[in-house]
Amino acid sequence: DVKVTQSSRYLVKRTGEKVFLECVQDMDHENMFWYRQDPGLGLRLIYFSYDVKMKEKGDIPEGYSVSREKKERFSLILESASTNQTSMYLCASNEAGIDGYTFGSGTRLTVV
Amino acid sequence: KQEVTQIPAALSVPEGENLVLNCSFTDSAIYNLQWFRQDPGKGLTSLLLIQSSQREQTSGRLNASLDKSSGRSTLYIAASQPGDSATYLCAVRQWTGNTGKLIFGQGTTLQVKP
Repeated sequence: DVKVTQSSRYLVKRTGEKVFLECVQDMDHENMFWYRQDPGLGLRLIYFSYDVKMKEKGDIPEGYSVSREKKERFSLILESASTNQTSMYLCASNEAGIDGYTFGSGTRLTVV
Repeated sequence: KQEVTQIPAALSVPEGENLVLNCSFTDSAIYNLQWFRQDPGKGLTSLLLIQSSQREQTSGRLNASLDKSSGRSTLYIAASQPGDSATYLCAVRQWTGNTGKLIFGQGTTLQVKP
């Protein structure tokens, strides 16, 4: 069964910490995405990548960066975590073309 | 700018009812539309994917339709069960640069009462 795996279900971090959220897909997909989901705001795109070492900003990239050194892995980095980055983070992937998206199970990040 | 709207925001029905969830979008230039299910605190599970050239897709008790020209999609759930209780999200795929971008509605939270 194809999968998008997010390494942590729950994370609690302190303000100012550098935080890494990891996402791995086993479908050899070209495109990978990071979204955050907040009540009342829905899902918002942070960053996406359409190839190794390639990245593009989404709608809310401020305070985040990403890394894609290998095709299967897409990391979201919070350089200096802040309380307003407390959220559910969702990783997704899809093949170039018109295929649907596959999402991971999410990481609930709390910054205290 | 594409906007996706889902109505109603919440719905409560007794078990066994057939129901329809609505999704509308403002820009008909889409590649496809995808319906997802999300259980509380969990990720998104894909239910149905409709390409822009298709009119409907079916999976078990679920049927999704797409009318691109009017900017509407519906998700029909037959013979609802308590296990169908979840939030249902629709998302349209736009083309942006080298890849596609999903734009989500706010979701419809469904409660099916035994």
